[in-house]
Amino acid sequence: EAQVTQNPRYLITVTGKKLTVTCSQNMNHEYMSWYRQDPGLGLRQIYYSMNVEVTDKGDVPEGYKVSRKEKRNFPLILESPSPNQTSLYFCASSHSRDSFYEQYFGPGTRLTVT
Amino acid sequence: GQNIDQPTEMTATEGAIVQINCTYQTSGFNGLFWYQQHAGEAPTFLSYNVLDGLEEKGRFSSFLSRSKGYSYLLLKELQMKDSASYLCAPGEGGYNKLIFGAGTRLAVHP
Repeated sequence: EAQVTQNPRYLITVTGKKLTVTCSQNMNHEYMSWYRQDPGLGLRQIYYSMNVEVTDKGDVPEGYKVSRKEKRNFPLILESPSPNQTSLYFCASSHSRDSFYEQYFGPGTRLTVT
Repeated sequence: GQNIDQPTEMTATEGAIVQINCTYQTSGFNGLFWYQQHAGEAPTFLSYNVLDGLEEKGRFSSFLSRSKGYSYLLLKELQMKDSASYLCAPGEGGYNKLIFGAGTRLAVHP
């Protein structure tokens, strides 16, 4: 089944404790992206990747890191999480960088930082 | 700058028709997506418009006017399962970058 998977689905952590949220897709997609979703604000892009070893900042990159060493994986790293990073996170992938390709979203990771 | 405006909430009756409007201002517009998102779940693709006009797909249709910066999503023969948020997302720039609106929460009641 074609899908985007994320782990963990739920995470409660404390301020400053490094964490990684994994994202993997099995569709051989070139383009991958991370979003956060907060009430009343909609989805905001954190980072994106157009292909292996090619990543760039989205609209809200502060406090986050990413890597793209393999085509299928695009982990999101929070080196020192803070309470304002409490949010619902979605990973998405798309066939290519071309704008007319729909994005497929993972199931989401609900992160709480205390 | 980027600005997307859609109603926060709408209600409708099962079997009826509802139209969800979206106005947008983006730089380098390259098409507009509509996504559906049930509470606590991932967004799923509904439609894509790049040219002016109406795209019909079963019970759902989407309209785009590029000159007016306006789109709408039309849902016909509403079902209870259509209760969800509907996200308007114009694309901008030369690559697959979407700017998402806050979404319209639609409640369908019997």
